[in-house]
Amino acid sequence: DVKVTQSSRYLVKRTGEKVFLECVQDMDHENMFWYRQDPGLGLRLIYFSYDVKMKEKGDIPEGYSVSREKKERFSLILESASTNQTSMYLCASSSIQGYGYTFGSGTRLTVV
Amino acid sequence: AQSVTQLDSQVPVFEEAPVELRCNYSSSVSVYLFWYVQYPNQGLQLLLKYLSGSTLVESINGFEAEFNKSQTSFHLRKPSVHISDTAEYFCAVTRTGGGNKLTFGTGTQLKVEL
Repeated sequence: DVKVTQSSRYLVKRTGEKVFLECVQDMDHENMFWYRQDPGLGLRLIYFSYDVKMKEKGDIPEGYSVSREKKERFSLILESASTNQTSMYLCASSSIQGYGYTFGSGTRLTVV
Repeated sequence: AQSVTQLDSQVPVFEEAPVELRCNYSSSVSVYLFWYVQYPNQGLQLLLKYLSGSTLVESINGFEAEFNKSQTSFHLRKPSVHISDTAEYFCAVTRTGGGNKLTFGTGTQLKVEL
């Protein structure tokens, strides 16, 4: 069964910590995406990547960075976590044709 | 750029009643359209998609959506809902040509009651 795996379902971090959210897909997809989901705001794109070592900013990249060293893995990094980054983070991947995404189960991050 | 509007944040409905979840989009170019469903504490799952061809598309669990280019809409319907349909539903759009990021609406919470 093909899937996108996010390493943690729930995460609690302290303000100022460096946080790594990991995402791995086993579908050999070229495209990978990081979204955050907040009530009433829907899904907002943070960063995406069309290929290894390539990245592009989405709609809300401030406070985040990403890394894609291998095709199957796309990491989201919070350089210095803040309370306003408390959210549900969703990773997704798609083929180069982009006919819809496959999502991971999400990581609910709480920054205290 | 594309945008999606889901006007209804919550839709309560009784079991076995019909339901329509509204989605309107804005784009200056041709688009692909999608509906995703999110059950509690889970990621999003693709429900159905319109890429080309017939404007009426169906899912395996009885939902359907119709692409209406003149009204820039892609409303989701089901003639008879079940308790298990309780979830949040997201409409999404991307421009044709593939390989592009999806833009999502803010979601509609469907609550099915007995």
